[in-house]
Amino acid sequence: ILNVEQSPQSLHVQEGDSTNFTCSFPSSNFYALHWYRWETAKSPEALFVMTLNGDEKKKGRISATLNTKEGYSYLYIKGSQPEDSATYLCALKAAGNKLTFGGGTRVLVKP
Amino acid sequence: DVKVTQSSRYLVKRTGEKVFLECVQDMDHENMFWYRQDPGLGLRLIYFSYDVKMKEKGDIPEGYSVSREKKERFSLILESASTNQTSMYLCASSLPGQGATGELFFGEGSRLTVL
Repeated sequence: ILNVEQSPQSLHVQEGDSTNFTCSFPSSNFYALHWYRWETAKSPEALFVMTLNGDEKKKGRISATLNTKEGYSYLYIKGSQPEDSATYLCALKAAGNKLTFGGGTRVLVKP
Repeated sequence: DVKVTQSSRYLVKRTGEKVFLECVQDMDHENMFWYRQDPGLGLRLIYFSYDVKMKEKGDIPEGYSVSREKKERFSLILESASTNQTSMYLCASSLPGQGATGELFFGEGSRLTVL
């Protein structure tokens, strides 16, 4: 079983502040790194799928970077809003169709 | 709008009962997955299926079985529910192969409590 770790487990952010958190994974047999957002009472939804070392992707105020050589990805939220409150999951795709998920970072944005 | 539908949002069962969790997707996806989510442990893969009547064990298959008789439907079965199977169960589907995305489309989850 691959070891995918996310830190911190949870964080509180003041509305308007920016924040970031980490996903670390074994760099061998890397194929893709996924980020999902899971809001309470909803389905997890894909934010980004990243495949290349040095990839940077952006969706609105949320962006992500990828370093496959050292085995980490950062997710950034710029100017956090209450609607950004969610659990953010990263998942590693190595060989095959399986994704291995990290434990998630739970973000709470305080108005 | 693409959709993955899980039959029950909340279930309460007794120890030893047989439990069926149903999942239907309308995207014609070959791949379907069952995960469980427990606090601090992320999503853990129970079983997945590449095609009709195909199934493969995930990381935690013990105590579970699955059925894929039709492409759009993937069922998770707890033959004899136990209290340690109290959890949130998520179904997902995706397109096949080593494609660039392979992103998962999830249902809303089924929260199972076993008493």
